[in-house]
Amino acid sequence: GIQVEQSPPDLILQEGANSTLRCNFSDSVNNLQWFHQNPWGQLINLFYIPSGTKQNGRLSATTVATERYSLLYISSSQTTDSGVYFCAVEMDSNYQLIWGAGTKLIIKP
Amino acid sequence: ETGVTQTPRHLVMGMTNKKSLKCEQHLGHNAMYWYKQSAKKPLELMFVYSLEERVENNSVPSRFSPECPNSSHLFLHLHTLQPEDSALYLCASSQGVSGYEQYFGPGTRLTVT
Repeated sequence: GIQVEQSPPDLILQEGANSTLRCNFSDSVNNLQWFHQNPWGQLINLFYIPSGTKQNGRLSATTVATERYSLLYISSSQTTDSGVYFCAVEMDSNYQLIWGAGTKLIIKP
Repeated sequence: ETGVTQTPRHLVMGMTNKKSLKCEQHLGHNAMYWYKQSAKKPLELMFVYSLEERVENNSVPSRFSPECPNSSHLFLHLHTLQPEDSALYLCASSQGVSGYEQYFGPGTRLTVT
């Protein structure tokens, strides 16, 4: 089945720093989402981005479907950005989201 | 209420109890999902419903029984659970079952004693 790998697994940064999170996937997809899971467990949608580039405030994401990877950029990090970031993909014509193991981000004040 | 809501938020139950988790979506979506998130494991899809019909059951033990009475409500009935079933149970919804963005509820943190 499709494999989803996220890197790095853990990331510790000072407030104000920028970061890049990566998601590699092993097959073509028709759905790719980035989520932020806060310390209380809530999964918050960041981007629906099977291809192309999107921006939302300090966050942006790029998916290069032909090369099977997606990047999530966080600029000017804040302590509230702490949590686990997940990438999830859906193969063509298969409605199951396959999840990566996540990147645990800690932003220190 | 907006988005996807789940009740209860926390549940402690013994192995012989019967309880139910409730999920409601206010987004007008046609598909709903149950996921299980255990510590240090990726999210596991349990059940998928499209227009109140179950379309996926990922080899989930029969002690978990889903119910979807309409496109806005989803239940997960629990009975004779095991301690290893302790986890965060997440409900999600989407406009359709394939190629659509999924939106998640806050989850129910279940502890089986």
